[in-house]
Amino acid sequence: AQSVAQPEDQVNVAEGNPLTVKCTYSVSGNPYLFWYVQYPNRGLQFLLKYITGDNLVKGSYGFEAEFNKSQTSFHLKKPSALVSDSALYFCAVRDMNNNAGNMLTFGGGTRLMVKP
Amino acid sequence: GAGVSQSPSNKVTEKGKDVELRCDPISGHTALYWYRQSLGQGLEFLIYFQGNSAPDKSGLPSDRFSAERTGGSVSTLTIQRTQQEDSAVYLCASSLTGRRSYNSPLHFGNGTRLTVT
Repeated sequence: AQSVAQPEDQVNVAEGNPLTVKCTYSVSGNPYLFWYVQYPNRGLQFLLKYITGDNLVKGSYGFEAEFNKSQTSFHLKKPSALVSDSALYFCAVRDMNNNAGNMLTFGGGTRLMVKP
Repeated sequence: GAGVSQSPSNKVTEKGKDVELRCDPISGHTALYWYRQSLGQGLEFLIYFQGNSAPDKSGLPSDRFSAERTGGSVSTLTIQRTQQEDSAVYLCASSLTGRRSYNSPLHFGNGTRLTVT
């Protein structure tokens, strides 16, 4: 079975400061990892993914994420937060051994609040 | 359209009534997924379609829930005899399938907000 944990329900950061949203995962095989963002009354939007290769992955809107195999983590980061980054962020994992197509298992979400 | 389309965007229904939610995936996407998101919570997997067949129905919460997909395109999620605990946002997503599909992201619609009174 595959699972994802986002230990923080909410992260507060001041505009211009760096931000980190934490994610850890559990899979039996190789993980494929994704971050999505959800703005109010909207569906989820894809931000970035890790499949293989460089552990530091760059995505949309200046976000990046670092894959750490030994710590089974895939934390989302941004060097300088914007108020417009305030949203709900979801980490997701797919296990290559999962038979359900490329069904993703999502974490519980972390609300990011960026204050001016 | 270019994205996943869901209708209606909002649905208010009385307890005990049946509802149908519709999802129109991105053209060419053979995989289709239904998730449920309760207020401020994470996503709960409901069902997955590959073409018209549903190899994974494990997430459907009860036999009041059913889904179908015809022509490899539009899908409907039906909830019979709705209960208040069914109130949630129902999200549909589609993706490519095939040999290289495992790294393809899911593309989500804006969801249907269901309120059962």
